[in-house]
Amino acid sequence: EIVLTQSPGTLSLSPGEGATLSCRASQIVSRTYLAWYQQKPRQAPRLLIYAASSRATGVPDRFSGGGSGTDFTLTISGLEPEDFAVYYCQHYDNLWGYSFGQGTKLEIK
Amino acid sequence: QIALKESGPTLVKPTQTLTLTCSLSGFSLTTSGVGVGWVRQSPGKALEWLALIYWDDDKRYRPSLRSRLTISRDPSKNHVVLTMTNVGPVDTAIYYCAHRLGGLHAFDIWGQGTLVTVTS
Repeated sequence: EIVLTQSPGTLSLSPGEGATLSCRASQIVSRTYLAWYQQKPRQAPRLLIYAASSRATGVPDRFSGGGSGTDFTLTISGLEPEDFAVYYCQHYDNLWGYSFGQGTKLEIK
Repeated sequence: QIALKESGPTLVKPTQTLTLTCSLSGFSLTTSGVGVGWVRQSPGKALEWLALIYWDDDKRYRPSLRSRLTISRDPSKNHVVLTMTNVGPVDTAIYYCAHRLGGLHAFDIWGQGTLVTVTS
């Protein structure tokens, strides 16, 4: 089973600052099947990034994704008040199906 | 516009079978490339994928829950149904259905979710 480990667990930043969230896979994975989601309280997740670096429809360009192999990042440049939420990475594997990381909570400092 | 909506019981007793329905609009599950999955989230916990069904009726399950899950579709009603047998308190969660983005295995459109509580 592929395990995705996100770090940090909680990130405390101020609006306007930049954020870098990490997702590490337990083995080399295909970046084609690596996605990032944002989830706000009492809301369903929202797809931000797919194929590691492609922004989903309507996602602001301050969100960017990168990485390969086992290490992937979600970068948010210039945090807006609405960006404070929980972020999940997700991967698909033909053998194990879909797996999600445990999430990173981005909170206002 | 693509939309999904979950429905089902809010309370289920331990050992019972849970049946959830995902109603699809704006797309058809018979269209090539389409997939619909189920994801759940226990209170305060991370997202957990459960199952997915493809346009050609191919199915995938979370290995650890495979023996308890069945995903099916009703093309005439444009529904996807998930059944989970022998539920217990650990199955208390918000259950989401979601549309898979093409062949990229990401979920681009999600339903609002439905909270299921397992309690005697």
